[in-house]
Amino acid sequence: EPEVTQTPSHQVTQMGQEVILRCVPISNHLYFYWYRQILGQKVEFLVSFYNNEISEKSEIFDDQFSVERPDGSNFTLKIRSTKLEDSAMYFCARRTSGANVLTFGAGSRLTVL
Amino acid sequence: AQSVTQPDIHITVSEGASLELRCNYSYGATPYLFWYVQSPGQGLQLLLKYFSGDTLVQGIKGFEAEFKRSQSSFNLRKPSVHWSDAAEYFCAVGAGNQFYFGTGTSLTVIP
Repeated sequence: EPEVTQTPSHQVTQMGQEVILRCVPISNHLYFYWYRQILGQKVEFLVSFYNNEISEKSEIFDDQFSVERPDGSNFTLKIRSTKLEDSAMYFCARRTSGANVLTFGAGSRLTVL
Repeated sequence: AQSVTQPDIHITVSEGASLELRCNYSYGATPYLFWYVQSPGQGLQLLLKYFSGDTLVQGIKGFEAEFKRSQSSFNLRKPSVHWSDAAEYFCAVGAGNQFYFGTGTSLTVIP
């Protein structure tokens, strides 16, 4: 099964800028999830994605966030206008349909200045 | 609502000593239970999981966990800790298509 690869590993951005975090590769038969972990805090669910649609999303996942598959392979998390409090580690995870185990990528660290 | 509680924020043990990390969950049905480990700067790696059957499950790196339904617990244990076990440990509950994580326990191993 494909591993979960995330890019970039670390991104520094100015407040108000747009950020795109990528998760590759992707298969048509998997659930994908985005989680975030603010430094020193727990891993928080953002959104799940299946069959090109958002399956579930948390209250954290407000209008500034979006997910998509722009080219049929990458699975992206976009933050439209970053805020200081968006500084966190963002993890992509996959789950095979019918299985109940999350496999995580190494994460993308976002620092908003 | 589903929730996971890890009451110990930080634990320090000596190398070679035994370890037990506590996890309690709240879920109406039989849960899927997991322990993940996160080394500094790394993603979360699955240590072990419980779906059904034998309540004592074995994982990687010599870890095991025991599911106790009566106590709503899924404590992680290791008989002899190695310095490389220093990391953050997360307990998680799988409920439908959703997974809920505890706040984590940071493990320090001293020589």
